Parts: sequence; C-alpha cells; structure tokens
Amino acid sequence: GNSVTQMEGPVTLSEEAFLTINCTYTATGYPSLFWYVQYPGEGLQLLLKATKADDKGSNKGFEATYRKETTSFHLEKGSVQVSDSAVYFCALLYSTLTFGKGTMLLVSP
Amino acid sequence: EAQVTQNPRYLITVTGKKLTVTCSQNMNHEYMSWYRQDPGLGLRQIYYSMNVEVTDKGDVPEGYKVSRKEKRNFPLILESPSPNQTSLYFCASTSDTDTQYFGPGTRLTVL
Repeated sequence: GNSVTQMEGPVTLSEEAFLTINCTYTATGYPSLFWYVQYPGEGLQLLLKATKADDKGSNKGFEATYRKETTSFHLEKGSVQVSDSAVYFCALLYSTLTFGKGTMLLVSP
Repeated sequence: EAQVTQNPRYLITVTGKKLTVTCSQNMNHEYMSWYRQDPGLGLRQIYYSMNVEVTDKGDVPEGYKVSRKEKRNFPLILESPSPNQTSLYFCASTSDTDTQYFGPGTRLTVL
C-alpha cells in the first residue's frame, strides 16, 4: 500500500537557520504530494503541493521538489522564523490521502 | 469566507453514551472525510464520502458511523464510545484541485 515516512522530530533551530524536513514515499502509481502545516490548537492547512515529477511547490519561503527517482519530497526553507514553529505533515494522494506522522519544528529567537 | 466548521470543539463524555460531532462546509465540495490524530500515529482516515449518500470506510472505521444526507454536512457518530476513541478529530473537505480544507478539530475524551 501507499505510505509516507517523515523524519522524526522535534527539529529545533535558531531563527534564520536553514530548514530541511525529509519526506519519502511509497506509492503504487504516480501520486500528488503535499506538505501541510498545523499551528498549535488549529487544524491542518495546505502549505504547498506538487502534482508531477520535477514539479517544485513553494509558499511562504518554503519549497519542496517532487523527486521521482528518489521518491522524495523534502521540505526546505532558507531562513526560519519563530512563527514557523508548528507541526509539518507530508502527504501523498493516490485515490486516498495518506499522511506521514508529522514533524514538530521549534524555532527559538 | 470558505471554511469547514466542527462542533463541539471539546467534549468529555462517558463510555457508552452516544454522541455526534457535526461537520459543515460552505465550499460546495463533493468529497469530505473524517480523521483522527493521535500522538506518534499522525492522521488516520476514519470514513470518507465522495458525494451525497455515498460513504466508505477509511483506515480505522471501527466504532464509528457517518452519514451524508446533504452535500454540506458530514456528521461523525459514535454509537457507543469507548476510551480508546479519546482523540483529536478533524473533518475535511476536498476541492477540485485536491486541496484539503480542515476544520479546527474536536478534542474528545471518553472516560
């Protein structure tokens, strides 16, 4: 079946540091890939998505590139802010949506 | 404003007492779903609905029921709640571009 594997957290960074959260997937076909963000006490919000190989999704300074050869969709940001502290979920869509377990990001001033 | 609403946001109940969590969306989406979120397990899909009167089981449907009598509403029913259903529940609706819109969540405690 389909599955998503994310790096375990928490990821702890200082403000302005570079962020990478790894995500790899297993799917029987060619899924669409997503990153969702969950701020404390809230539901999930779509951060970015990519629908085919080599697509790059980007939003709010975050980027992720759909790599079919490595079945990966790593999330990156060049300079994190305290307000980026949240839980990040990688997900794939192939008939149904499958989520990873989430990675907590903590950014300190 | 486009949104998914859930009620109640917080609920404490006792084992065996039937409850319903309501979910409503104002975006005219056909596809809606329910998830539960548990520490270390991420989000797991309970049930989904592709349209009115069409519902199907997700990954963890045991102990839950749903109905879809109208497009905007997708209530989650626990006929006889048990402590292992203590969790954070999210309703979501999906757009034509496959973006999911989540409700704010319902934190349920079953004693």
